[in-house]
Amino acid sequence: QQQVKQSPQSLIVQKGGISIINCAYENTAFDYFPWYQQFPGKGPALLIAIRPDVSEKKEGRFTISFNKSAKQFSLHIMDSQPGDSATYFCAARVTGNQFYFGTGTSLTVIP
Amino acid sequence: KAGVTQTPRYLIKTRGQQVTLSCSPISGHRSVSWYQQTPGQGLQFLFEYFSETQRNKGNFPGRFSGRQFSNSRSEMNVSTLELGDSALYLCASSSMDGAGYTFGSGTRLTVV
Repeated sequence: QQQVKQSPQSLIVQKGGISIINCAYENTAFDYFPWYQQFPGKGPALLIAIRPDVSEKKEGRFTISFNKSAKQFSLHIMDSQPGDSATYFCAARVTGNQFYFGTGTSLTVIP
Repeated sequence: KAGVTQTPRYLIKTRGQQVTLSCSPISGHRSVSWYQQTPGQGLQFLFEYFSETQRNKGNFPGRFSGRQFSNSRSEMNVSTLELGDSALYLCASSSMDGAGYTFGSGTRLTVV
């Protein structure tokens, strides 16, 4: 049973375009929603995170939009660059540091 | 500030053997979590240790075990290895409330 459902599985975007990755969850006990970026041969690195009492958080070109009633959240990458090409994971946490991850989105930004 | 250090980076083992992986957390972090990452299943939570006690456990068989030492370093052990155990094993450390949740680069385990 996948606790966090992520889509799309892969995404190709032109340089300068907007990349959008979506995630959905069911467990209302989740209290923290991070996004991770992973390059080949590396572990996931925290990109940006949001708590459920906030509807949007922006850090540079990266924005999380959070819809608590719909139990959905999404990552928007503005002005996508080739260096953003990586795998992105959404995640959700229950108390005690147990995280559930989405299945990942492979993003390719074409120059 | 040093990151999360996992050793070894690569490991090749034979079916039926056992293996021990090591994780040194960021200084001051007392929570260490382990994950298995495979192309088909993504990131799967194995267990979390805090102050030498297992605080959470994922849905993995008893062949997967771990422990944490007084200096917060953690080890993960897999006994009676199976081909399906081939994966990237990731360790993450954080403070008690999850602040600064940081992953290491992982140990790539191949079972032949």
